[in-house]
Amino acid sequence: DTAVSQTPKYLVTQMGNDKSIKCEQNLGHDTMYWYKQDSKKFLKIMFSYNNKELIINETVPNRFSPKSPDKAHLNLHINSLELGDSAVYFCASSQAGGKETQYFGPGTRLLVL
Amino acid sequence: GENVEQHPSTLSVQEGDSAVIKCTYSDSASNYFPWYKQELGKRPQLIIDIRSNVGEKKDQRIAVTLNKTAKHFSLHITETQPEDSAVYFCAASNAGNMLTFGGGTRLMVKP
Repeated sequence: DTAVSQTPKYLVTQMGNDKSIKCEQNLGHDTMYWYKQDSKKFLKIMFSYNNKELIINETVPNRFSPKSPDKAHLNLHINSLELGDSAVYFCASSQAGGKETQYFGPGTRLLVL
Repeated sequence: GENVEQHPSTLSVQEGDSAVIKCTYSDSASNYFPWYKQELGKRPQLIIDIRSNVGEKKDQRIAVTLNKTAKHFSLHITETQPEDSAVYFCAASNAGNMLTFGGGTRLMVKP
């Protein structure tokens, strides 16, 4: 029974392309997040959505656009991919905001060539 | 915003020894402090957390302590085992409900 799932698991693409990563949670949580983990393993929040509304939008280039069709899904679309976008992207969810346990998805390893 | 610093960045211990990882935070309004463990190639998973109304919390071989005055908190793992080898992240959640992670500690337990 998968709690937080992401697709695809791996994504290899050329610079300049547009790509999307999908995330779904079946925990009934209200809040979902996107994190970026770089090659040095540093975890940094990108976006947070609560009940389909954007709550947190850290300093992220506007080439990154999150979309939440319903509270169980939070997708990430990236335009004009750059080499520096190569990282592992984790989706996560929690019951209510940042003071509850966050459950992470398996991650999407993005490699931009 | 919140800034969380974590030390050491790498820690190597012998099986059976204790391991201690320390974190400091900057925002005095932060009141929730979780610790996550990330095994190689896997997702981060919560192992223990502490809230600001508590000074210490234990769960079997792991414990976390919090000093709100000094704005630091620590993870203690006793009787380490090879399966404890992983990257450990501390984090702090401030009034804005945003979780800020420390830089991570790579723990290696040598059999």
